[in-house]
Amino acid sequence: DGGITQSPKYLFRKEGQNVTLSCEQNLNHDAMYWYRQDPGQGLRLIYYSQIVNDFQKGDIAEGYSVSREKKESFPLTVTSAQKNPTAFYLCASTGRGSSYEQYFGPGTRLTVT
Amino acid sequence: GIQVEQSPPDLILQEGANSTLRCNFSDSVNNLQWFHQNPWGQLINLFYIPSGTKQNGRLSATTVATERYSLLYISSSQTTDSGVYFCAVERRKAGNTPLVFGKGTRLSVIA
Repeated sequence: DGGITQSPKYLFRKEGQNVTLSCEQNLNHDAMYWYRQDPGQGLRLIYYSQIVNDFQKGDIAEGYSVSREKKESFPLTVTSAQKNPTAFYLCASTGRGSSYEQYFGPGTRLTVT
Repeated sequence: GIQVEQSPPDLILQEGANSTLRCNFSDSVNNLQWFHQNPWGQLINLFYIPSGTKQNGRLSATTVATERYSLLYISSSQTTDSGVYFCAVERRKAGNTPLVFGKGTRLSVIA
């Protein structure tokens, strides 16, 4: 089945540690995105990539880093510089064609204490 | 940048009732999608609807692009319809650029 996988589902870290969230898609989509969602809030864009080896900052990129070495993979690193890292992180992708429907992975809940 | 406003922010319905959710946007769009976020956090595509009307079972959506709004209709609501409904539009007309999300409408359907 085609889709987007994110791992792990829940992640716990101590303050000061970097942590990497995984996002993999087998939809052959060119573009991938990372969003952050805080309780009761909408989605805010962290980073996005429209093509391999290229990515752009979103609205809240500070304290995060990404890489796009393969079309299928777009990992997100939450660094110790991110002041409030506890949140729900969602990865998404879109393909080319007559429509640009965006599809989401199941998300990773990160808790930093 | 483009602004997306959804109303109402919260909605409580008795099972079997109908509802209309609204999404206003501040500029012309090439892409508009409706999503449902279930209680476990998963976002599910409901409609890709930059213009016109679509129906899928008890759900339907209409976008009037010239007047910059979209409506999501839920008929004969069920408890499984509970969750948050998001409207999202594309920032530019180039395609594959990030969506801008509204803050959502939180729907609770009571048995």
